[in-house]
Amino acid sequence: AQSVTQPDIHITVSEGASLELRCNYSYGATPYLFWYVQSPGQGLQLLLKYFSGDTLVQGIKGFEAEFKRSQSSFNLRKPSVHWSDAAEYFCAVGTFGSARQLTFGSGTQLTVLP
Amino acid sequence: SAVISQKPSRDICQRGTSLTIQCQVDSQVTMMFWYRQQPGQSLTLIATANQGSEATYESGFVIDKFPISRPNLTFSTLTVSNMSPEDSSIYLCSVEVGENYGYTFGSGTRLTVV
Repeated sequence: AQSVTQPDIHITVSEGASLELRCNYSYGATPYLFWYVQSPGQGLQLLLKYFSGDTLVQGIKGFEAEFKRSQSSFNLRKPSVHWSDAAEYFCAVGTFGSARQLTFGSGTQLTVLP
Repeated sequence: SAVISQKPSRDICQRGTSLTIQCQVDSQVTMMFWYRQQPGQSLTLIATANQGSEATYESGFVIDKFPISRPNLTFSTLTVSNMSPEDSSIYLCSVEVGENYGYTFGSGTRLTVV
């Protein structure tokens, strides 16, 4: 069965600083990987996704993620964090075929200091 | 991407009662998903609902507790039955749209059982 690990429960960064959120996955086939963001009281918004091809994926809001098969990782990065980036971030792996679904990690809460 | 309208956005219910959550999509979709997000936790898939067939429930979730209807390709409901305080969670519906495995989420229903 697939699984996703987000080792950091909570990260605090200063506004303008760079950000990296870690995600490790376990899946027996080629993974389909996603990053979602959830602001307080909101649903989930897709930041970016990876299926194949270029291992560096660009997303919305200036985010990018790099797929590293050898490390089973899909870390999310942003060069300069804005106060509005404070939210919960979820990494997910997608399974397809007859059992299509997303499996989510436990999430990383991001706090941005002024 | 699809636009999902989920109702109600929040509710406070008495234990022992039931609540039906509605999910309306602005386009026809084959698969709809229902997730639960318990306080401070990640998302857990409750069931997958395809139009014209019985919903498929994940381990730990049963139809008697979470009956689902899927009468057409744009609408689904999830009922939380005989509620207890442990059912207090955010419930989200999600759809997969198009061929790019894009999963869109509703804004969620925040349920509090007292």
